[in-house]
Amino acid sequence: QQPVQSPQAVILREGEDAVINCSSSKALYSVHWYRQKHGEAPVFLMILLKGGEQKGHEKISASFNEKKQQSSLYLTASQLSYSGTYFCGTELYSGAGSYQLTFGKGTKLSVIP
Amino acid sequence: DSGVTQTPKHLITATGQRVTLRCSPRSGDLSVYWYQQSLDQGLQFLIQYYNGEERAKGNILERFSAQQFPDLHSELNLSSLELGDSALYFCASSPQVMGSRETQYFGPGTRLLVL
Repeated sequence: QQPVQSPQAVILREGEDAVINCSSSKALYSVHWYRQKHGEAPVFLMILLKGGEQKGHEKISASFNEKKQQSSLYLTASQLSYSGTYFCGTELYSGAGSYQLTFGKGTKLSVIP
Repeated sequence: DSGVTQTPKHLITATGQRVTLRCSPRSGDLSVYWYQQSLDQGLQFLIQYYNGEERAKGNILERFSAQQFPDLHSELNLSSLELGDSALYFCASSPQVMGSRETQYFGPGTRLLVL
């Protein structure tokens, strides 16, 4: 079940803040956030775990609402380098002791001077 | 540089052909994952291997198969190729299996163009 991301795209001026949301209809084991620049591989930003533990990037924060199965990524004081497509990946139990990471369609973030 | 390597970087082939994509995980990582990324579908999980054994299957077509070898490198085989198979194929690796609360490190990808 693919998570739903919003917004699909956002344009910011340097220094502005943005929030990217990710929601799932299934109970999540964890939520992963990645950023992908055009023509490059996705790069890990943050992982949020059930119970509130977070692992990730210093300048980017995120939240995980376990009751609503929603996660939000907070980008503050945006820089030009923040431009790219942000993907959330929801980790679900897929049976037989296995888990799968399913990605949303992405949010394209453009930071302009 | 994530430490994951993929070859070749680009591949151009014709419909009906068969190709093999190769991935070497980061040193010490036991899990390998394959993803397909096309413009309209985003990142689609295909298959996962852990220490040589298949662990999870996603949206992988029957024409596609994969394996992980004793040295932990993995190959993705795509056969009877169709135009719609044109995409960027990523390999990712992690130390353990999914569910262990670890991130995945992505390789640079192989861009496949089927003509």
